[in-house]
Amino acid sequence: QVQVQESGPGLVKPSETLSLTCTVSGASISTYYWSWIRQSPGKGLEWIGYIYYSGNTNNNPSLNSRVSISIDTSKNEFSLNLSSVTAADTAVYYCASGSNLLFENWGQGILVTVSS
Amino acid sequence: YVLTQPPSVSVAPGQTARITCGGNNIGTKSVHWYQQKPGQAPVLVLFDDTDRPSGIPERFSGSNSENTATLTISRVEAGDEADYFCQVWHSSTDLVDFGGGTKLTVL
Repeated sequence: QVQVQESGPGLVKPSETLSLTCTVSGASISTYYWSWIRQSPGKGLEWIGYIYYSGNTNNNPSLNSRVSISIDTSKNEFSLNLSSVTAADTAVYYCASGSNLLFENWGQGILVTVSS
Repeated sequence: YVLTQPPSVSVAPGQTARITCGGNNIGTKSVHWYQQKPGQAPVLVLFDDTDRPSGIPERFSGSNSENTATLTISRVEAGDEADYFCQVWHSSTDLVDFGGGTKLTVL
């Protein structure tokens, strides 16, 4: 059973970079697709982007220029960097995994608040 | 690409709930459905239009044709009360879209 767990700071200042890590257990990261998804308070789900173990990646065009997703196969983890954050980036951030970009396994989520 | 879901659906216990997900030619895509209860992460309840992951009751079923995909929950229980989201992957662009979500209320 694949398990994923988000970690990182819960508070980020405006204009700074939000950095989160997702640790994978129960499976090798050298399989499946690994994604980041967020949910603003009281809102729906927004796909941020994915990375495959080969390094192939793609991001939501609405965030494209600010998003960077990377993978560290030696640590069995992948990461999200979202630059130039504003209050609109305040959300619960989830990491998730699955085949063919459907999301079979989700982390519990981490609330990131953007505030000075 | 816009996926349109009704904001809310209400149904009495024991009845059937149908939650729709509208999109242009969505019938040509594989649709996945997620259930999210308050304070919890989403859970996959249907994938590839009609398939149930292990552990999901047979009461959950789906269909997808032309411009509408539908999640059907038969013999609704109080524990089914949740938000439901549809999701597709576009093979042509390698992008993912979610519907806006539907709040299912069990009366």
